[in-house]
Amino acid sequence: NAGVMQNPRHLVRRRGQEARLRCSPMKGHSHVYWYRQLPEEGLKFMVYLQKENIIDESGMPKERFSAEFPKEGPSILRIQQVVRGDSAAYFCASSPLRTGATGELFFGEGSRLTVL
Amino acid sequence: QQQVKQSPQSLIVQKGGISIINCAYENTAFDYFPWYQQFPGKGPALLIAIRPDVSEKKEGRFTISFNKSAKQFSLHIMDSQPGDSATYFCAAVKAAGNKLTFGGGTRVLVKP
Repeated sequence: NAGVMQNPRHLVRRRGQEARLRCSPMKGHSHVYWYRQLPEEGLKFMVYLQKENIIDESGMPKERFSAEFPKEGPSILRIQQVVRGDSAAYFCASSPLRTGATGELFFGEGSRLTVL
Repeated sequence: QQQVKQSPQSLIVQKGGISIINCAYENTAFDYFPWYQQFPGKGPALLIAIRPDVSEKKEGRFTISFNKSAKQFSLHIMDSQPGDSATYFCAAVKAAGNKLTFGGGTRVLVKP
């Protein structure tokens, strides 16, 4: 059973470009979460999605960031007009149930975004 | 607002020693407290978890101690091994909640 798959693993963008990060959850998991990890910092919640629905986006910056989890295909985290402060590791996680039910999330290996 | 505070930020122990990581939380609505282990270049993975109605939970060399009145919990790694070198995150979640709130992480280095 394949784990959470994220791509690309590494992405370099220049300021002002767009970054698009993809996440395929584990088979059978319908709950997807995105977290951001800044260098030497912990993981910060960004958004929680189920198929075709954004359930909680309280951690998403109001501008330039968006996320989707379409009926078919992977979840996408999109960052428009990237700035140097967006440089971070972005982790996707999935679970078969809502987080609070078990406290367990299955994380991918992350996408490391570098903005030049 | 940092809802889960973790200390220390880094820790160096000798092989065979005990690693101790402490966390404190503010929100009494949290009711599940997992610990995650992250190796360099990898995503975090669940290590062990505890509910507040239990004061201690042990799995192999890993033990969580929980003090509900003090709103604190800690991870003890007994007989630490070089393979335990990783970053450890405490976390908290509400049973009715949707997201884990993580501490800032502790980088543990176990020297041979």
